[in-house]
Amino acid sequence: ETGVTQSPTHLIKTRGQQVTLRCSSQSGHNTVSWYQQALGQGPQFIFQYYREEENGRGNFPPRFSGLQFPNYSSELNVNALELDDSALYLCASSLAQNTGELFFGEGSRLTVL
Amino acid sequence: QQPVQSPQAVILREGEDAVINCSSSKALYSVHWYRQKHGEAPVFLMILLKGGEQKGHEKISASFNEKKQQSSLYLTASQLSYSGTYFCGTEMPNSNYQLIWGAGTKLIIKP
Repeated sequence: ETGVTQSPTHLIKTRGQQVTLRCSSQSGHNTVSWYQQALGQGPQFIFQYYREEENGRGNFPPRFSGLQFPNYSSELNVNALELDDSALYLCASSLAQNTGELFFGEGSRLTVL
Repeated sequence: QQPVQSPQAVILREGEDAVINCSSSKALYSVHWYRQKHGEAPVFLMILLKGGEQKGHEKISASFNEKKQQSSLYLTASQLSYSGTYFCGTEMPNSNYQLIWGAGTKLIIKP
């Protein structure tokens, strides 16, 4: 148990739709990062939020966007879903802005048909 | 930019040792190791910072050779609970805290 919870755990969408994934950080953690993990691959960094500001972004198009709220929970939004967006989306929280130990949630499994 | 992990998979008997390697073509600031069991979240093992340090965590230890841009994870006297996929995450200088992850090494421990 890492104290990081994600919802929903599984969801199915069709191409072109929009999806919102949610993450509750471990208590006291002010930094949240999101990762996309395709089957059999390592996580791919999407972006990171520190105190409600995006402070790092990976090689993902603008249709991937996020928010961090004052309580440090976070959302990942993906517009205009494509088949290749099918993956496990992981959220990780940490204490500091610089990379220390990451506490991962169990992920949201997105299937795009 | 993605670090290369080797081997891709390894099967051991309980009690045997294993070494998992992580190599980068870029200069590294730190290397992070995580283990992920099937259907579960990745779990932190250790972080190694530049300076060639070595760390230990029970029977799991790691080294980081900054000059070679390589890290190795050592699992000694493996236990069934060590099964899972091991990922290294690499951080480059001035990368704005991004971790670039390897594709993982699947470790299967048999009784």
